[in-house]
Amino acid sequence: EAGVAQSPRYKIIEKRQSVAFWCNPISGHATLYWYQQILGQGPKLLIQFQNNGVVDDSQLPKDRFSAERLKGVDSTLKIQPAKLEDSAVYLCASRGLQGRFSPLHFGNGTRLTVT
Amino acid sequence: KNEVEQSPQNLTAQEGEFITINCSYSVGISALHWLQQHPGGGIVSLFMLSSGKKKHGRLIATINIQEKHSSLHITASHPRDSAVYICAVRNQFYFGTGTSLTVIP
Repeated sequence: EAGVAQSPRYKIIEKRQSVAFWCNPISGHATLYWYQQILGQGPKLLIQFQNNGVVDDSQLPKDRFSAERLKGVDSTLKIQPAKLEDSAVYLCASRGLQGRFSPLHFGNGTRLTVT
Repeated sequence: KNEVEQSPQNLTAQEGEFITINCSYSVGISALHWLQQHPGGGIVSLFMLSSGKKKHGRLIATINIQEKHSSLHITASHPRDSAVYICAVRNQFYFGTGTSLTVIP
């Protein structure tokens, strides 16, 4: 099966600019996650979708970050305006509906550098 | 305070050594995940545990729910095992900061 696809692979922007990341999960996977991983740290959950509904976005900085999954398949994560501390790898992951013990499948991530 | 603590943070081993990475957590969980992250960022799910022990090749994962502790063991370590190993709990909501393993030939 094809894996989780993310684009772009790398992005460099200046602070106060906007940026968007795209994720295409594994076909049929209902649950989709966006994570932020700052260098040297473990991933931090930003938002979790179940189909096109938001399950958890408690750690999403909503003043600048937004995410959507309109048709319950692809998802986009946007940052507007970006700050220096947003420099990180943004990971997308998905999982199927084989019960709560199904494994996560991660994309390769988008490495964002804010200058 | 982190809900998930891993030790050690960094580990260097000689090829062939037996390796243990530990994970302690403070929240109630239904399952714990061990993940492997290679340079370049790709993350692979290694194990999902709710009790006891699981084995896959040279990797063994154990969990003690009462003590809120899990261990990942690598037998006969190899340079290709060099990666960051991360434990995660509660439906991947809480992650440890990872253990960076380097296996020297």
